[in-house]
Amino acid sequence: AQTVTQSQPEMSVQEAETVTLSCTYDTSESDYYLFWYKQPPSRQMILVIRQEAYKQQNATENRFSVNFQKAAKSFSLKISDSQLGDAAMYFCAYRRGGDKLVFGAGTILRVKS
Amino acid sequence: DGGITQSPKYLFRKEGQNVTLSCEQNLNHDAMYWYRQDPGQGLRLIYYSQIVNDFQKGDIAEGYSVSREKKESFPLTVTSAQKNPTAFYLCASSIWTGLAKNIQYFGAGTRLSVL
Repeated sequence: AQTVTQSQPEMSVQEAETVTLSCTYDTSESDYYLFWYKQPPSRQMILVIRQEAYKQQNATENRFSVNFQKAAKSFSLKISDSQLGDAAMYFCAYRRGGDKLVFGAGTILRVKS
Repeated sequence: DGGITQSPKYLFRKEGQNVTLSCEQNLNHDAMYWYRQDPGQGLRLIYYSQIVNDFQKGDIAEGYSVSREKKESFPLTVTSAQKNPTAFYLCASSIWTGLAKNIQYFGAGTRLSVL
């Protein structure tokens, strides 16, 4: 069974600085997708970024980028120029074709002003 | 505006009572999902449905039931058999093509507590 591990229960970052959230996953598949979701205090889950496993190029969305290391089964999220609105719980998730999303336990990100 | 609406936002259940959580979407999505979120844990899949009148159990289906009579609606009933129902419940939907890339969009959730 696929598993997703987020080893950092909580992280802090100073406003305007950069922070990296870690995620590792376990799978025997070669074709799959990886996602980062954000859950702010409102509890609404919002997609931040997604990565296709067959693409070597790392995905980027404005201040958010990933470091996808397929061989190491690692999928970290980098947030640049952190803003107060980035404070949230961040979830890493894995999915292969036609299958369910598998979520990690989440990382709480605190942003200090 | 297109989206997923969950109601109520807060719900209280008495011992032995069944309660139903509502989830409605106007995104014309084929697939709908119910997740449970407990503190310190990620989301766990309860049930999902790819098409009207069909649904499958997820990882933690015991004590829950669902129906899918309309494409737009996927209500979740928490039965008295669910001994620890206190949690945050999230509904999601997506286009169903069997492709991993399809994004799941989430509602704002329902907080269920036991009286």
